[in-house]
Amino acid sequence: DVVMTQTPLSSPVTLGQPASFSCRSSQSLVHSDGNTYLSWLQQRPGQPPKLLINKISDRVSGVPDRFSGSGAGTDFTLRISRVEAEDVGVYYCVQATHFPFTFGPGTMVDIK
Amino acid sequence: QVQLVESGGGVVQSGRSLRLSCATSGFTFSIYGFHWVRQAPGKGLEWVALIWYDGSYTYYSDSVKGRFTISRDTSKNTVFLQMNSLRVEDTAVYFCVRDTYKFNAWGQGTTVIVSS
Repeated sequence: DVVMTQTPLSSPVTLGQPASFSCRSSQSLVHSDGNTYLSWLQQRPGQPPKLLINKISDRVSGVPDRFSGSGAGTDFTLRISRVEAEDVGVYYCVQATHFPFTFGPGTMVDIK
Repeated sequence: QVQLVESGGGVVQSGRSLRLSCATSGFTFSIYGFHWVRQAPGKGLEWVALIWYDGSYTYYSDSVKGRFTISRDTSKNTVFLQMNSLRVEDTAVYFCVRDTYKFNAWGQGTTVIVSS
C-alpha cells in the first residue's frame, strides 16, 4: 500500500502569515493515464471534509485563491498565502492513483 | 444542489451486520463513482471502498475486504455499504463521497458503533 506522510502533524499559524504543509508518498503517484491523483482536503471541527485541491494543483471552484498546491511524483505541498481564522482545522492529503487509496494522517492547524 | 445523505448507522454487537445507505440528489448519479470513507473517533480518515460509475468494478481496503460490500441502485440514486461480521475496530463515522478520483462531495456521515 502507498503510505502517505504529512509534516508537520501540528502547525500553529499566525493570522495573516503564510503557511505550508508537506505530503509525501512512498511511491510515485503518477497514474498510467498521466494524471497524478493527489488531493488536499480540509476538515473543520465538527464538519465533514471538504475538497480544496485535486490533481496536485487544481483548486476547486469556490475555494479561496489563498490556497495553492504544488509538487510532483512523491512530494507535494499545500500553501496558504495568508492564513485566516476560518482556516483552522485538519488538512489531509489523499492519493487516488493506487489501490487501496490512502490518506495522510493530517496536519492540524490552529491559530497561535 | 449536490446532496449526499447517509443513514443506517447505529449501535450493533460485534459479529452482527449493518447496511448503510447514501441517498443522493442534485446531480447525475449514473456518471459518478462513489466511495465510503470512515473516521474513527478522534482519528484520521480511512478509505473503505469504491464503486465504479457503472457498478462494473468495486475495490476495498484490506481491513474490510471479504466483510463489506459496496453496491449502488441507479433507480434510487443510492449507494449502499453492507457490513457483515462487524468488529469493534469498525466503530467510526462513515462518509459517502462522490467522484472516483476527486472526493469532491461528502455527506455528513452516519455513526456506527460496534460493541463487544
